Amino acid sequence: GENVGLHLPTLSVQEGDNSIINCAYSNSASDYFIWYKQESGKGPQFIIDIRSNMDKRQGQRVTVLLNKTVKHLSLQIAATQPGDSAVYFCAEAKSGSARQLTFGSGTQLTVLP
Amino acid sequence: SQTIHQWPATLVQPVGSPLSLECTVEGTSNPNLYWYRQAAGRGLQLLFYSVGIGQISSEVPQNLSASRPQDRQFILSSKKLLLSDSGFYLCAWSVYPQRGGDTQYFGPGTRLTVL
Repeated sequence: GENVGLHLPTLSVQEGDNSIINCAYSNSASDYFIWYKQESGKGPQFIIDIRSNMDKRQGQRVTVLLNKTVKHLSLQIAATQPGDSAVYFCAEAKSGSARQLTFGSGTQLTVLP
Repeated sequence: SQTIHQWPATLVQPVGSPLSLECTVEGTSNPNLYWYRQAAGRGLQLLFYSVGIGQISSEVPQNLSASRPQDRQFILSSKKLLLSDSGFYLCAWSVYPQRGGDTQYFGPGTRLTVL
């Protein structure tokens, strides 16, 4: 199944520091990757995506890095703020498949004052 | 812009009672629609998805069912709830394949507690 039965890993960072959240994906055929942010009691919110023809993409304070060789994805958050505290999920997909978003287990990010 | 609604926001139901959760999307046509369940402190488990009216694909065999009576309406149902049905239910939509993206956008969720 998709990430059922797993407790969330956690990451604690000081406010103002940079955060790096990692994700290993499983399907070498996946060519589209997304990061979501989920605050407590809310639905996941889209942060940033990247396609497999890229290895880096930047947004506002966030950068996603893709290493297809080792099937690894990371999300970097610059100058982490208290509002960044949430669970972060990566998701992988094979473009063109209506069903296919496979989610990672998620990482709980806590920003310390 | 597109918005997605879910209701109710919270629900407490006794074991054996029926269930109906509703999801509607505004601002788009012919979306793909999805139902997920999320247990506390866990990831997302895909339950059903739909690529059109009346078209439902089930991912996990269980006592839940889904229906899509209208283009932008997706309903999750059960005839008899189990304790294990408790969780956070999320509806999502995506545009496929015209725009080439697979991003799914999530609703606010329904917190279901079965007692």
